[in-house]
Amino acid sequence: AQSVTQPDIHITVSEGASLELRCNYSYGATPYLFWYVQSPGQGLQLLLKYFSGDTLVQGIKGFEAEFKRSQSSFNLRKPSVHWSDAAEYFCAVGSARQLTFGSGTQLTVLP
Amino acid sequence: GAVVSQHPSWVICKSGTSVKIECRSLDFQATTMFWYRQFPKQSLMLMATSNEGSKATYEQGVEKDKFLINHASLTLSTLTVTSAHPEDSSFYICSARPERGSYEQYFGPGTRLTVT
Repeated sequence: AQSVTQPDIHITVSEGASLELRCNYSYGATPYLFWYVQSPGQGLQLLLKYFSGDTLVQGIKGFEAEFKRSQSSFNLRKPSVHWSDAAEYFCAVGSARQLTFGSGTQLTVLP
Repeated sequence: GAVVSQHPSWVICKSGTSVKIECRSLDFQATTMFWYRQFPKQSLMLMATSNEGSKATYEQGVEKDKFLINHASLTLSTLTVTSAHPEDSSFYICSARPERGSYEQYFGPGTRLTVT
């Protein structure tokens, strides 16, 4: 069975600082990996995805993620955080049948 | 492209009544639609998967007689919460997949249901 672990429930960073959100997955085959962002009371917006190829994936809003098969990780990064990045972030692993989400990481950005 | 809408965005109903939530893919045809439930400060939990023209597949622990799903066309799926109770209060999110075998899902903005 596929599963996703996001070890950090809540992260606080200062505006302009760098950010890394951790994601570890368990999947029996080649994983299809996603990062989504959710603002309060809103649906999910896709930040980026990894299907194959280059292990460093660029997404929207200046985010990137690196797939590391040896570590079963797909960490999300941003070099300089903006106050508007404050939100909930979900990592997900996908199959043809469904997406399985991690528990999410709440990001707070300090001015 | 790939826009999914939900209606209503929020609804308040009395205990014992039924509520219908619509999920529409606006600019693509969705062979499969998914319904998720999200409690405050928690992740999304898949409730059911629906394919156009066939019965929905419910996840373990989800009451199919309580959460009725209809996927009548390639652009519309509905979730009806029957005989709603306060414990059904939650945030319901739908998503749509454009083609079979695709790994991508496009999400709607969600519907906040409050049962009083």
